[in-house]
Amino acid sequence: QKEVEQDPGPLSVPEGAIVSLNCTYSNSAFQYFMWYRQYSRKGPELLMYTYSSGNKEDGRFTAQVDKSSKYISLFIRDSQPSDSATYLCAPSPPGRRALTFGSGTRLQVQP
Amino acid sequence: GAVVSQHPSWVICKSGTSVKIECRSLDFQATTMFWYRQFPKQSLMLMATSNEGSKATYEQGVEKDKFLINHASLTLSTLTVTSAHPEDSSFYICSVPVGENIQYFGAGTRLSVL
Repeated sequence: QKEVEQDPGPLSVPEGAIVSLNCTYSNSAFQYFMWYRQYSRKGPELLMYTYSSGNKEDGRFTAQVDKSSKYISLFIRDSQPSDSATYLCAPSPPGRRALTFGSGTRLQVQP
Repeated sequence: GAVVSQHPSWVICKSGTSVKIECRSLDFQATTMFWYRQFPKQSLMLMATSNEGSKATYEQGVEKDKFLINHASLTLSTLTVTSAHPEDSSFYICSVPVGENIQYFGAGTRLSVL
């Protein structure tokens, strides 16, 4: 079993739709939960950062963590064509360690 | 977020040559940097941890003699792909950890070996 499993893409939605992106993980030591957005042939860009369980909202983006079920989600409201990218979840234990990424979900928002 | 400068963004080289990729942390001093590799339509895979003032730590299966890492200062790490071959063609990305767990990434370097 992979340490981080992410729903496969590609995911295609119309502009304005609500998008739900999800990951599951197996390591109970994970305490920090990051979502990165990666445009084609670019480095990942930090989108959301959450510590422990709960929700965090930033504009059109909401990150949700349920540590009891080891399930993390990213919701995008009013999706825009500029949101078209690959979204990578990256849960992490405490400490300055390298990140373990999910496989990424490729999102395409159709205008 | 922290600015991480990676250079070059794209390099094409002949098989057998060596290529150096630079990663600079412009906002923070970094005793540690990470190097990842990403093949098309795949996720990032950690190659090695670059440590300022000491040897890099390589992940299993990554040849340390092929991928030379030098962490010359608190703001610069370099990755040299020695005697590159077509199978080394990939997207190489560095990251700088900031605080407890956040990492900021460079823009990546696309290596094409002919």
